[in-house]
This record gives sequence, structure tokens and C-alpha cells, in this order.
Amino acid sequence: AQSVSQHNHHVILSEAASLELGCNYSYGGTVNLFWYVQYPGQHLQLLLKYFSGDPLVKGIKGFEAEFIKSKFSFNLRKPSVQWSDTAEYFCAVNAVDSNYQLIWGAGTKLIIKP
Amino acid sequence: GAGVSQSPRYKVAKRGQDVALRCDPISGHVSLFWYQQALGQGPEFLTYFQNEAQLDKSGLPSDRFFAERPEGSVSTLKIQRTQQEDSAVYLCASSLAEGPATYNEQFFGPGTRLTVL
Repeated sequence: AQSVSQHNHHVILSEAASLELGCNYSYGGTVNLFWYVQYPGQHLQLLLKYFSGDPLVKGIKGFEAEFIKSKFSFNLRKPSVQWSDTAEYFCAVNAVDSNYQLIWGAGTKLIIKP
Repeated sequence: GAGVSQSPRYKVAKRGQDVALRCDPISGHVSLFWYQQALGQGPEFLTYFQNEAQLDKSGLPSDRFFAERPEGSVSTLKIQRTQQEDSAVYLCASSLAEGPATYNEQFFGPGTRLTVL
């Protein structure tokens, strides 16, 4: 069965620190990859996605992620975090031959200390 | 706004009660998804509709769970004889996808937090 693992459930950083959140998936075929973010009290919203092409994708608010196929990874990065980045971050994977289903990681709660 | 809406936002039920959760997708969105999100976990797929057709219900945890979308827009997730393990946030998402071969971004509603006592 497909699965997605996010390595850290909680991350605490100071403002201006660099961020990397890990995401690994288990599926040998073609995948679409996503990072969603949920700010406190708000809906899940798409941060960035990878379908094909350049494995380094840029999303909103200065976030980027790199797809490394050989490592089955799609880690999220931001060079300098802000207090407003405090949120929960979810990695999700869609196996192309399963069409529409998203398989989700358990999420990482990020707290930025001002 | 034109986003996905869900109601109620919070629901407390006594064990054994039936509940109905409503989702209003974005107008014109063909695909609609229901997810269950337990505390501390990511969402888990429950079921998928394309217009009024329920194409996949493989994620429904038991026959107490039933979903419908009779006119291809609003959807209702019904849980009969609720149990404590049904306590979770139920998320609805919609997408513009017109067919399963094309992946479109899913837009999420705020969720309904169900607590079963």
C-alpha cells in the first residue's frame, strides 16, 4: 500500500532560521506531489505541487520543494522563516495510475518563535 | 466567497445517534471528495464523486457511513449509529477535474469537527 511519511511531527524555529521539512513516499510508479498548509483556524490550502519537469518547484510565500526520485522524497524548504509561517504542513502524494486519490502524511506542526 | 463550505462546523453527537454533514463545493466543480482527519493525523480518503456518480467509496470505514450527491453539486455524508471512534474532522474538497485521467487541484472546505460522546 502507498504511504507518506513526514519525519517530524513538531518543529520549533526562530525567525530567520532556515527550514526543511522531510517527506518520503512509498510508491514505485509515477507520482504527483503536493505540500498543503493549514494556518491556525483556516482551511487546508495548496502551497506547491510537482507534476513533471523541473524537480525544483517554487510555491507561494517563498517556499520551494525538491523532488528526488531516487530517494522517493519531496522535501519542503524555505531559506528564512517568518512568524507568519506558523502552521501545520502536510505532504500528499497522488499515484498517477490511481487517478484522483491523495495519500497524506501525518503533518508537521511548525512553530516560529518571534 | 466562492470557496467550499461545510456545515455544521461543529457537531456533538451521543453514541448511537445519526448525523448528516453537508458540503457545498465550488460552483462548477465536477469532482468532490470526502476525507476523515483524526486528531494528529493527515486526512484519509473516504469517497469520491464525479458529478452525481459515486465512483469510489473504498475509504468508507463501515456500512454505517453513506454519502450522496444526488444533483451533482451539494453532497451529504451520513453516519448512522455513531461510535466514539467516528470522532474526527470531516473534510470536503472539490476540483474542476472533468475526468479521472487529469489531476486538478483540490480545494478544501473548513471541515466539520464531529465529537461523539
